[in-house]
Amino acid sequence: GAVVSQHPSRVICKSGTSVKIECRSLDFQATTMFWYRQFPKQSLMLMATSNEGSKATYEQGVEKDKFLINHASLTLSTLTVTSAHPEDSSFYICSARDNGGGSDTQYFGPGTRLTVL
Amino acid sequence: AQTVTQSQPEMSVQEAETVTLSCTYDTSESDYYLFWYKQPPSRQMILVIRQEAYKQQNATENRFSVNFQKAAKSFSLKISDSQLGDAAMYFCAYRSNNAGGTSYGKLTFGQGTILTVHP
Repeated sequence: GAVVSQHPSRVICKSGTSVKIECRSLDFQATTMFWYRQFPKQSLMLMATSNEGSKATYEQGVEKDKFLINHASLTLSTLTVTSAHPEDSSFYICSARDNGGGSDTQYFGPGTRLTVL
Repeated sequence: AQTVTQSQPEMSVQEAETVTLSCTYDTSESDYYLFWYKQPPSRQMILVIRQEAYKQQNATENRFSVNFQKAAKSFSLKISDSQLGDAAMYFCAYRSNNAGGTSYGKLTFGQGTILTVHP
């Protein structure tokens, strides 16, 4: 299957700082990427849909000014957690939608563990 | 809005035995996909199997098969000849195929089932 990478895999930051997480589709173009948040032993919660060349659409209850999403190219979406606080500590996962060739499959990145001190 | 329910927080199985994980969903749509994803301790999400709602035939992938009951809105996963490497958290997921809807392309996940495989 297709490969999606995330960088960094782990990040520790101080409260009040901003952290950027990158999501890349390595061998296909993705007009749509998704960002999820997952707490330990819980399900994935969709935060937002990232659309190449346009604004992201956020799920209800997700602060768009806190979680900035940029999808500047067909292979890269970034999530920036602004003014991070300890409650933002979580596992963040992206997925990229490959709808070329009629497959229409989402491939997931390996995730980023964010710890805010 | 669509919902997905996995009523088994944890399941266990002996190596080489068969186990079935349950999933029910609620939707008013007729065109959708259903998926089972596996999340091992590495936390990398891995697609196990997918089912198109318009297909009556149950999907199979080697040792993994589903029992898709559209009228009952049930989508269970059967793992045959369980292996130690099958131990993971399994998520059932729904995806709308309604291009005009707000949920088009989005995955809705169930709560997950932790599967333990005993040697």
